[in-house]
Amino acid sequence: AQSVTQLDSHVSVSEGTPVLLRCNYSSSYSPSLFWYVQHPNKGLQLLLKYTSAATLVKGINGFEAEFKKSETSFHLTKPSAHMSDAAEYFCVVRGPYTGGFKTIFGAGTRLFVKA
Amino acid sequence: KAGVTQTPRYLIKTRGQQVTLSCSPISGHRSVSWYQQTPGQGLQFLFEYFSETQRNKGNFPGRFSGRQFSNSRSEMNVSTLELGDSALYLCASSFAGRTNTGELFFGEGSRLTVL
Repeated sequence: AQSVTQLDSHVSVSEGTPVLLRCNYSSSYSPSLFWYVQHPNKGLQLLLKYTSAATLVKGINGFEAEFKKSETSFHLTKPSAHMSDAAEYFCVVRGPYTGGFKTIFGAGTRLFVKA
Repeated sequence: KAGVTQTPRYLIKTRGQQVTLSCSPISGHRSVSWYQQTPGQGLQFLFEYFSETQRNKGNFPGRFSGRQFSNSRSEMNVSTLELGDSALYLCASSFAGRTNTGELFFGEGSRLTVL
């Protein structure tokens, strides 16, 4: 069985300070892990993905995430927040399932960026 | 390359009616999946199609159905609408074949309001 838990429903940071959005997953086999961002009334945009290659994954807009198998974590970080980063972020687990693929979304973390 | 296109973007229906939503995937993508997003339940998987075959289905009642055409375009239908069906319906396409879990590319969604 697969599951994903985003540990914070809301995170608030000041512009220019680091961002940390936490995600833990559970999977009975090696899944693919993704982080997506959603701005209001928009679809989801891929930030980065992990598919069993390098454990430190770099994405767009300065975001990166580290896959830690021992901790079953895939936390998203950014060294310096920008106002435009304010949005909702989803950690996603995707893996093979009977006859196809199963996609599990975390509940989302809303990021607020203060000026 | 054009992205995932969903139509209509917004629609209002009344209880008991039915609705059909359309999704055109990125050219070359054969996998299309549908998701329901609500404030209370978050993002939930509806179904996934690959080469005109439904290969995975989420836990939704039979009122929710879908299909995929030979050109990979997909439609989903909701019959006998209920107030709780009000949501943002997101479609995603993927290049992934049967043995890979590729990233999902999302459309901007169809926002359905049921009165």
